[in-house]
Amino acid sequence: DAGVTQSPTHLIKTRGQQVTLRCSPISGHKSVSWYQQVLGQGPQFIFQYYEKEERGRGNFPDRFSARQFPNYSSELNVNALLLGDSALYLCASSFRETRGQPQHFGDGTRLSIL
Amino acid sequence: AQSVTQLGSHVSVSEGALVLLRCNYSSSVPPYLFWYVQYPNQGLQLLLKYTSAATLVKGINGFEAEFKKSETSFHLTKPSAHMSDAAEYFCAVLEWAGANNLFFGTGTRLTVIP
Repeated sequence: DAGVTQSPTHLIKTRGQQVTLRCSPISGHKSVSWYQQVLGQGPQFIFQYYEKEERGRGNFPDRFSARQFPNYSSELNVNALLLGDSALYLCASSFRETRGQPQHFGDGTRLSIL
Repeated sequence: AQSVTQLGSHVSVSEGALVLLRCNYSSSVPPYLFWYVQYPNQGLQLLLKYTSAATLVKGINGFEAEFKKSETSFHLTKPSAHMSDAAEYFCAVLEWAGANNLFFGTGTRLTVIP
């Protein structure tokens, strides 16, 4: 079975632009979470979606938004890009949203802002 | 609020030696704790998890971790290091607050010396 897939793998943008990152969860998984990993740090939680509804949001500005589609895939959108948005963006899926469900990560999208 | 502290951003061991990576947590609720490994240019792979069952948890690739409530610790060990263990290791704590989101430590980079 395929794992969590993310696209694109690398992306270069300039300040002020907008970007959309995509994630396909493991087949059968209904929950998707997004994390930002800045170089040299641990991942930081951005969003969790379950059954197309937002179930949690981390401490990120409103420039960050996401959605989940009926097939459980997800998109993360970031508007008005800043240099500080340069990071590895990780998507994780789990079977359900309940506490303790193990999360399986994709290889991420590396976003570079010039 | 939940938090995780990983002592030692870099750990070096000789091949065949004991691996010990330290993690201390702070949690206002009974914690669910995880160890993830990240190889270069990849996402995170779950090594093991503690979810209030046995305090000694065995994971993949010969790793194990012991939950010690009195010390608020969840250290990761492996009896004999292998060259393939060289990677970044992250300890994480889970908080149930309507979402299954993980709080990660800053990571420990393990180097294995031949």
